[in-house]
Amino acid sequence: DQQVKQNSPSLSVQEGRISILNCDYTNSMFDYFLWYKKYPAEGPTFLISISSIKDKNEDGRFTVFLNKSAKHLSLHIVPSQPGDSAVYFCATEYGNKLVFGAGTILRVKS
Amino acid sequence: EPEVTQTPSHQVTQMGQEVILRCVPISNHLYFYWYRQILGQKVEFLVSFYNNEISEKSEIFDDQFSVERPDGSNFTLKIRSTKLEDSAMYFCASKEVGDILPTAYGYTFGSGTRLTVV
Repeated sequence: DQQVKQNSPSLSVQEGRISILNCDYTNSMFDYFLWYKKYPAEGPTFLISISSIKDKNEDGRFTVFLNKSAKHLSLHIVPSQPGDSAVYFCATEYGNKLVFGAGTILRVKS
Repeated sequence: EPEVTQTPSHQVTQMGQEVILRCVPISNHLYFYWYRQILGQKVEFLVSFYNNEISEKSEIFDDQFSVERPDGSNFTLKIRSTKLEDSAMYFCASKEVGDILPTAYGYTFGSGTRLTVV
């Protein structure tokens, strides 16, 4: 089973506030989870990741939280900036390929 | 910084025509991929290619699709007879092997080719 799910198609947040993007997965054997950011007319670019042996990874304004018992991860962006407006995909490596969620469109309003 | 290059950025083709999407992966990468994203949907895996052969393909990658590495630098995706439902963004990716651990961190994506079938 290789499912990664993002159930919120879009999120709108005021500049300066926190953005929380969620992702659920079905296979407890996944080792790493990654978040990719995608602007229109560009390819996905790597943003931040977390290993399954950790429950938190922080990089500047971006923090990933992993709840293994719930098979859930979330990406927190604080403070949100207008330049963060993009599509965010959560992904994991299954076999020798990346498997993506459906993505969440984040709009940060100024 | 090394990047994956895709051409053309946008291709419009008539239904039933053949199209070839081109990619130049990063030179020292060994795994090559094609993904596609239909408008509003998730990025879907199509095929992976390693050591001059397909290593894995999805259900989407049927007989209408083929991939080739005709020389040491290009990696192409051919759609033999395009259908309206082939309209999508097609992303090429390559993965570095060996130096980057875990390997999940080694993927680099191109900017994509928007294919419109009319």
